[in-house]
Amino acid sequence: DADVTQTPRNRITKTGKRIMLECSQTKGHDRMYWYRQDPGLGLRLIYYSFDVKDINKGEISDGYSVSRQAQAKFSLSLESAIPNQTALYFCATSDAIPGAYNEQFFGPGTRLTVL
Amino acid sequence: KNEVEQSPQNLTAQEGEFITINCSYSVGISALHWLQQHPGGGIVSLFMLSSGKKKHGRLIATINIQEKHSSLHITASHPRDSAVYICAAELRETSGSRLTFGEGTQLTVNP
Repeated sequence: DADVTQTPRNRITKTGKRIMLECSQTKGHDRMYWYRQDPGLGLRLIYYSFDVKDINKGEISDGYSVSRQAQAKFSLSLESAIPNQTALYFCATSDAIPGAYNEQFFGPGTRLTVL
Repeated sequence: KNEVEQSPQNLTAQEGEFITINCSYSVGISALHWLQQHPGGGIVSLFMLSSGKKKHGRLIATINIQEKHSSLHITASHPRDSAVYICAAELRETSGSRLTFGEGTQLTVNP
């Protein structure tokens, strides 16, 4: 079973709809991240959470919100979807070992299309 | 200007060729990450380094902290190496760290 899972894997929705993307992990990591990927722009950080009570905005948080329901779950919401939010969305997790490299483990991605 | 710049954006090689992908960054980092994104979209970590060189199989990553530059080399390239290679700078914050990414290099290795 995958360590980091995302649901749904694909979603087509209409402008103005509320959408939630969910991420679950079984790695026991405290840190979780949401990214979006657009052609030619690379991965960009939307929100990140260093533990259940610590949530931070990334470089492109406008139009998005998140909820860290538990250590293992981190959800991304689009309150009112718009077409330029069409992208590939990735969730990632990492450990928090002081002084060590902390690899990020990525989910399989959610392809979101907003019509 | 992006904090992390990769070159080239696209690279086509013949099987067996030696490949180099370059990454320059403009910020202070705690580590430099190289990742691989498969044609199906999945992303995996290849290397994390803050000095010197690391090797794993046919892949080698180097970093020069003074020049703020890292390279990813692939020796004896193979069609299965075709993927997007992504460089990312790890930036340390008070209670954790985050990554900022280059745009990626699309590598195609032809048989």
